[in-house]
Amino acid sequence: DVKVTQSSRYLVKRTGEKVFLECVQDMDHENMFWYRQDPGLGLRLIYFSYDVKMKEKGDIPEGYSVSREKKERFSLILESASTNQTSMYLCASSFRGRVETQYFGPGTRLLVL
Amino acid sequence: TQLLEQSPQFLSIQEGENLTVYCNSSSVFSSLQWYRQEPGEGPVLLVTVVTGGEVKKLKRLTFQFGDARKDSSLHITAAQTGDTGLYLCAGPSSRTYKYIFGTGTRLKVLA
Repeated sequence: DVKVTQSSRYLVKRTGEKVFLECVQDMDHENMFWYRQDPGLGLRLIYFSYDVKMKEKGDIPEGYSVSREKKERFSLILESASTNQTSMYLCASSFRGRVETQYFGPGTRLLVL
Repeated sequence: TQLLEQSPQFLSIQEGENLTVYCNSSSVFSSLQWYRQEPGEGPVLLVTVVTGGEVKKLKRLTFQFGDARKDSSLHITAAQTGDTGLYLCAGPSSRTYKYIFGTGTRLKVLA
């Protein structure tokens, strides 16, 4: 069974804090993705990575950075959390092909106060 | 820009009723996927359709890919409360590794 795990299900942080969200997959997938999901806005891609140490900006990268030092792990970093980053964060992974399934983690619900 | 529009946005029906959810685009997609997301969880893949005109069935769920590969539909027969959730369609971008997601249809099936 494919498994994508995220380090926390719920997280409460204060404005200005540095926040780390970790994602680990066990399927040797090349691609990994970070999305945020907000009511009425759907899933929006923040960053994705198609290989170790490789990353590309998604649609809304501002205020975020990522790190992929190992194939199985993809971290999302909020350098200085702000209230407008309160959201549900979803990590996903997939093989590199064109018709590949994305497997999602359970999500991290982040509240920034 | 490739976009996927889903309709309706919200749907509330009684158990036993039939329903259809639509996913439309002005762009051609090489494939489309349907996911269901339950509250507090990540989306889970239901099906991938690849060929124009393709029809796939998953128990009471029937998925169709349009002939021109610009649209897809999901039909649920005799809905059950367990079908409640957010239904998302998604397709691979033609230019990058990105996936394009629709905004979703939130379905509530009442007992």
